[in-house]
Amino acid sequence: AQSVTQLDSHVSVSEGTPVLLRCNYSSSYSPSLFWYVQHPNKGLQLLLKYTSAATLVKGINGFEAEFKKSETSFHLTKPSAHMSDAAEYFCVVIPGTYKYIFGTGTRLKVLA
Amino acid sequence: EAQVTQNPRYLITVTGKKLTVTCSQNMNHEYMSWYRQDPGLGLRQIYYSMNVEVTDKGDVPEGYKVSRKEKRNFPLILESPSPNQTSLYFCASSLGQGPTYEQYFGPGTRLTVT
Repeated sequence: AQSVTQLDSHVSVSEGTPVLLRCNYSSSYSPSLFWYVQHPNKGLQLLLKYTSAATLVKGINGFEAEFKKSETSFHLTKPSAHMSDAAEYFCVVIPGTYKYIFGTGTRLKVLA
Repeated sequence: EAQVTQNPRYLITVTGKKLTVTCSQNMNHEYMSWYRQDPGLGLRQIYYSMNVEVTDKGDVPEGYKVSRKEKRNFPLILESPSPNQTSLYFCASSLGQGPTYEQYFGPGTRLTVT
């Protein structure tokens, strides 16, 4: 069965410190993986995606994620958090069926 | 500006009163989809459409209907809404289906059924 697990429902960091949002997936096929961000009262915006090319993927606003097949992980990182990063983040796996499977989301809080 | 629009953005209604949430995209996308978002559950797909007159069920289709008579529009219909359909609804569109194609999301419709 295909699934995606976001290990933390809430993460708090101080402004200027690193961000780590964790995502693990399960897929019978070689999957594609996305990260989306949802700011309050807004729709979802694509941050970055992995589609079997380079395993380290760079996205918008300084975010990046590394695909690790051996660990079935696709964690999202950013070296230095900014107040504007406060939002909810969704990890998405797209297995061979081409269907989007969303994680349950991680709410990131950035403290001044 | 390329966008997906949804109307209304907020709706409070009563059990059993039929309603329609409209979705329109101006990007000539073939693939459109409806999701509902509930706390702790992420987004779950309700219905999707590969093209005009081609629709199929997602993970949670019960209680919903859709139609795709024109490429740009994909309305979501609740024939007899119930309180368990209180949720935040998102429409999305993409050029095609699959990981090569980014899905663009509308701003959401918050529905409350009393």
